[in-house]
Amino acid sequence: AQKVTQAQTEISVVEKEDVTLDCVYETRDTTYYLFWYKQPPSGELVFLIRRNSFDEQNEISGRYSWNFQKSTSSFNFTITASQVVDSAVYFCALSLDSSYKLIFGSGTRLLVRP
Amino acid sequence: DSGVTQTPKHLITATGQRVTLRCSPRSGDLSVYWYQQSLDQGLQFLIQYYNGEERAKGNILERFSAQQFPDLHSELNLSSLELGDSALYFCASSLQGDRRYEQYFGPGTRLTVT
Repeated sequence: AQKVTQAQTEISVVEKEDVTLDCVYETRDTTYYLFWYKQPPSGELVFLIRRNSFDEQNEISGRYSWNFQKSTSSFNFTITASQVVDSAVYFCALSLDSSYKLIFGSGTRLLVRP
Repeated sequence: DSGVTQTPKHLITATGQRVTLRCSPRSGDLSVYWYQQSLDQGLQFLIQYYNGEERAKGNILERFSAQQFPDLHSELNLSSLELGDSALYFCASSLQGDRRYEQYFGPGTRLTVT
């Protein structure tokens, strides 16, 4: 069965702190895709990143970075020097080559305090 | 702004009623997905259409149905509504080609059943 686990329900940090959101996935497929989405208080889901299972290179985009490790089935997301605008619920998701649907984790609510 | 539009933004209706949620995908996207976000179930895939045809079904109740029209917009019909159907309903769309797994979400329709 395919599953995404985000064990951290809620994280609270002070502005400018670094924070890492954990994501662990389960699948027996060899080809799959991993995603992160952000859901700010306004409610929409914003696409952040997509990663293919055959590309384990880490990625950095500004203050955001992602660490993909197949050996531990993890796809963690780090925000460096967090800002109040980063406050949101962050979802990790899995998609298989055989199906286009997204399987979401339960989300991690991040609160960045001034 | 993802380019995916959903109407209405909010919907309040009574148990037993029927409602229709509408979605217009991003220009050029052929695939439309519907998801339900509720407090107890999280984000769940309901159904996918590709160029007018049903492609995949998820946890969609028999009281719910959807379709994609020739102009590629999609409608999700919810009937015999129950209190438990209250949720945020998202539509997403995706491109073909190697980026087809990136799903861009609309702002959602918040359904309240009283």
